[in-house]
Amino acid sequence: DTAVSQTPKYLVTQMGNDKSIKCEQNLGHDTMYWYKQDSKKFLKIMFSYNNKELIINETVPNRFSPKSPDKAHLNLHINSLELGDSAVYFCASSRRGPGGGTYNEQFFGPGTRLTVL
Amino acid sequence: SQQGEEDPQALSIQEGENATMNCSYKTSINNLQWYRQNSGRGLVHLILIRSNEREKHSGRLRVTLDTSKKSSSLLITASRAADTASYFCATDARETSGSRLTFGEGTQLTVNP
Repeated sequence: DTAVSQTPKYLVTQMGNDKSIKCEQNLGHDTMYWYKQDSKKFLKIMFSYNNKELIINETVPNRFSPKSPDKAHLNLHINSLELGDSAVYFCASSRRGPGGGTYNEQFFGPGTRLTVL
Repeated sequence: SQQGEEDPQALSIQEGENATMNCSYKTSINNLQWYRQNSGRGLVHLILIRSNEREKHSGRLRVTLDTSKKSSSLLITASRAADTASYFCATDARETSGSRLTFGEGTQLTVNP
């Protein structure tokens, strides 16, 4: 009955590799997000999709590419991993407010701890 | 500095005491939300307060919002060891309405048994 799930939970890899993190939500939400949380717990939004359409793309290196095959899934692919990519990555989902404005609460996945060696 | 700054950065109290955390922000908002993050877990939504509301309660939680001072506070009454976690405020800014929440840097609360 997990609302927002992410796989894998832990990912340890070498610099230069390509890896993907998967996210799925079963809440029927229309908006999904990827956040990066650094070692100081600062949470920064990376991407947001609404109904499979990209609506937020922060200044994230183009090595990061999100893909939303449908409203319930938002995957994150990372090419040529670097040491600085080590962090916890969170997927989240929400329903947009009436008329598309204002946010309701966001539901977060358990996170994927990425360690680049 | 960041939209949504929590104060203090860390707070340590005894079980049974009240814990107060503050959040300041810079722009006009539609709503402000508080989240809790237990160690090694994702964030969990606690409470949402809209810009036209001044106070909201949920169980042992009380949130206030002062839009003139651009600040909010989260009060946890009769704290328990299980309340130990990081607490984040997040704002839905009017200028980016409907597009994002901006999270603060969090307050680490430790409740000692």
